[in-house]
Amino acid sequence: QVHLQESGPTLVKPSGTLSLTCTVSGGSISSYYWNWVRQPPGKGLEWIGSIYSSGNTNYNPSLKSRVTISIDTSTDQFSLTLYSVTAADTAVYYCVRQRGCGGSGCYSDQYYFDYWGQGTLVTVSS
Amino acid sequence: DIQMTQSPSSLSASVGDRVTITCRASQKISTYLNWYQQKPGKAPKLLIYAASSLQSGVPSRFSGSGSGTDFTLTIISLQPEDFGTYYCQQSYSYPRTFGQGTKVEIK
Repeated sequence: QVHLQESGPTLVKPSGTLSLTCTVSGGSISSYYWNWVRQPPGKGLEWIGSIYSSGNTNYNPSLKSRVTISIDTSTDQFSLTLYSVTAADTAVYYCVRQRGCGGSGCYSDQYYFDYWGQGTLVTVSS
Repeated sequence: DIQMTQSPSSLSASVGDRVTITCRASQKISTYLNWYQQKPGKAPKLLIYAASSLQSGVPSRFSGSGSGTDFTLTIISLQPEDFGTYYCQQSYSYPRTFGQGTKVEIK
């Protein structure tokens, strides 16, 4: 059973940098896309970005200028860095595995989020 | 970006009722559509992928259908444990986008 666990500071000052790490266990970090999704309190889900095990990245254009996602396959971890944070970045941050469909009746590029971390609430406040 | 719009935003139904949630994409996405259930304080859980494929371990009372721009999630006989918020999500293109959610309450 794949398990994802977020870790990092839960309080960040405005204009500061938010840094989170996700540790993957119970399965290989290779050959999958690894994502960050966030959810402001009481609101919906927002995809932040993804990284493939090779290091290729995709970012949400709304955050692209402030986001970096990196991966370390030797430690089975990937990380999120969000710069110049404001109160609007206060949210529960989830690390998520994305995989392609491997069964019949669907295409290999039909991706879905199958494993999620428990989430960590990061508050931006002075 | 592809916009995903769900309806209704919330609903209240009785145990045993048939419940239908609709998701509409702002452009055609074939069957690149997934559904998730989220309970308060918990991470979302995958229910349906590729519009109609049931994720392993998910009860068969959940089903998905649709293609192109219009999709539905159906719960054929609502159970007490089905309360929560349901989200659709497109995987046709980046950025990945979610619907705003449909909150399901049990009467």
